[in-house]
Amino acid sequence: EIVLTQSPATLSLSPGERATLSCRASQSVSSYLAWYQQKPGQAPRLLIYDASNRATGIPARFSGSGSGTDFTLTISSLEPEDFAVYYCQQRSNWRGTFGQGTKVEIK
Amino acid sequence: EVQLVESGGGLVQPGRSLRLSCAASGFTFDDYAMHWVRQAPGKGLEWVSGISWNSGSIGYADSVKGRFTISRDNAKNSLYLQMNSLRAEDTALYYCAKDSAVNGDRSPFDYWGQGTLVTVSS
Repeated sequence: EIVLTQSPATLSLSPGERATLSCRASQSVSSYLAWYQQKPGQAPRLLIYDASNRATGIPARFSGSGSGTDFTLTISSLEPEDFAVYYCQQRSNWRGTFGQGTKVEIK
Repeated sequence: EVQLVESGGGLVQPGRSLRLSCAASGFTFDDYAMHWVRQAPGKGLEWVSGISWNSGSIGYADSVKGRFTISRDNAKNSLYLQMNSLRAEDTALYYCAKDSAVNGDRSPFDYWGQGTLVTVSS
């Protein structure tokens, strides 16, 4: 089973700052890696798919990179609505394993 | 507009069964794979099960294999999850999620419902 490890667990930043979130897979998932955002009381929302493609309607400040086992989600300049929990998910096989999440909180 | 509406959750005793449903609208249901994802209170996301457009491919997490059964009725635009032998650790909000592709592998989940809460307790 592929395990995804996200770091850090919590990121404390101010609006306008750059956020860099990491996701590491226990074995290669090629580019079949997605990122989701979840706010309290809401369902997850797809941000990035295939490691670097923004989903429909996602602002350009969100970008993804990486392949194989190491992936990064970058938010270039945090907006107030970006403070949330972010999950990575591998889709290299049927088991759409998620990472444990990174909480981006207001400093 | 894509809509996924889950139902069937509730309080159930350990060892009992429950059947969840997901009513889909706003897209051609039988063109896409579908999944169930759960989230225990205060915890992260866990993929539970997925089914391809024609039910030809089905997958389960190890934690539910042999106890849960996913199915779909394309004529009714509906997804189901039959949950048997429920345990306390199955307590979670269960989301229905639409795959972005027909077969359900290598593709992300582009739409999610709001979830239905399952509580397993005596």
